[in-house]
Amino acid sequence: NAGVMQNPRHLVRRRGQEARLRCSPMKGHSHVYWYRQLPEEGLKFMVYLQKENIIDESGMPKERFSAEFPKEGPSILRIQQVVRGDSAAYFCASSPPGVSTDTQYFGPGTRLTVL
Amino acid sequence: SQQGEEDPQALSIQEGENATMNCSYKTSINNLQWYRQNSGRGLVHLILIRSNEREKHSGRLRVTLDTSKKSSSLLITASRAADTASYFCANAGGTSYGKLTFGQGTILTVHP
Repeated sequence: NAGVMQNPRHLVRRRGQEARLRCSPMKGHSHVYWYRQLPEEGLKFMVYLQKENIIDESGMPKERFSAEFPKEGPSILRIQQVVRGDSAAYFCASSPPGVSTDTQYFGPGTRLTVL
Repeated sequence: SQQGEEDPQALSIQEGENATMNCSYKTSINNLQWYRQNSGRGLVHLILIRSNEREKHSGRLRVTLDTSKKSSSLLITASRAADTASYFCANAGGTSYGKLTFGQGTILTVHP
């Protein structure tokens, strides 16, 4: 059973470009979470999604950031018009159907660098 | 802020010694989890303790939870060089369904 997969692992963008980060949850998992980790800091929650629904987006910046988890395909975190402050590691996690406050399984992360 | 705090921020020990890390949180919780992160990698789940539990063991790991003090500790016994990593506690809050709130982490270095 493959773990949570994220791609790309490293992404370099220039200011003003768009960044698309993809996350494929573990097989059978229907909950997806996105977290951001700035250098030397812990992870900060961004958004929690189930298939075709955003459950909690309280950690998402109000502008330029969006997330989706379509019926088919991976979850996408999209950052429009990136700025240097968006440089961070973005982690996706998934959990199986049921009580979503239990263990979350993390992917390897996408490291975004904005030049 | 709901962000928890961990102490110490950094811990350096010799192989074979025990390592203790502490975590405090600010809100009510459903459970508290500990994760390990090796440099440049993703997080690996170590252990979960529910709000009605006080102590839990898994191999060389021992976790305690004191909900009256809103604190938890992670003990790694007989540490190994391979235990070198950052350790994070994360709490699943009572009303924050699905959201984990992470502490700042403890950087553990185990010298061979």
